[in-house]
Amino acid sequence: DIVMTQSPDSLAVSLGERATINCKSSQSVSYSSNNQNYLAWYQQKPGQPPKLLFYWASTRESGVPDRFSGSGSGTDFTLSISSLQAEDVAVYYCQQYHSPPYTFGQGTKLEIK
Amino acid sequence: DVQLVESGGGLVQPGGSLRLSCAASGFIFSDHYLDWVRQAPGKGLEWVGRSKNRRNGYTIEYAASVKGRFTVSRDDSKNSLHLQMNSLKTEDTAMYYCVRWDSGACRNWGQGTQVTVSS
Repeated sequence: DIVMTQSPDSLAVSLGERATINCKSSQSVSYSSNNQNYLAWYQQKPGQPPKLLFYWASTRESGVPDRFSGSGSGTDFTLSISSLQAEDVAVYYCQQYHSPPYTFGQGTKLEIK
Repeated sequence: DVQLVESGGGLVQPGGSLRLSCAASGFIFSDHYLDWVRQAPGKGLEWVGRSKNRRNGYTIEYAASVKGRFTVSRDDSKNSLHLQMNSLKTEDTAMYYCVRWDSGACRNWGQGTQVTVSS
């Protein structure tokens, strides 16, 4: 199984500052045949189901503000928020869909400092 | 709009069974992979299982933690997805989400149905 490890487990950032969440996979989640990274990011607010933010590691889902960005390849990925807003407080998860089981990271809780 | 509505959750004793259902609308059901994802209270997300689409032979995949106990099925004529859960354990207690897979991600999620396994 591919193990997804996020860092940090929790993060407190001041409003307007940059937030960065890392996700590392235990093996590559990319396929050389199509040069795609099989990695998605989700945001989950309390009492709600997760919401898709990025797929193919860096393709922003429609409606997601452009202060969010996704990057990385192979085994190392990053979700960044350029200027933190109050509504960004949530838990963020990465997920690999390279091979079953389609494992999630343990989550990173983002709070306001 | 895509809608996924789960039902069938509840309280069950260890060793018991429960059948979850997901009613889907707003998309061509038979074209899509559908997943079950669960979340234990206060914990992270765990992928449970998948039903691939007709084009891919309705292949089913399972997480090791549920293989042999849970069965994913679908009825394309009724736009419904099911999760039959047998030999339930306390560690199966979770919110269970029905998810539509599209273009490389879990694009749409239901609101979930709560399953509690307790004596």
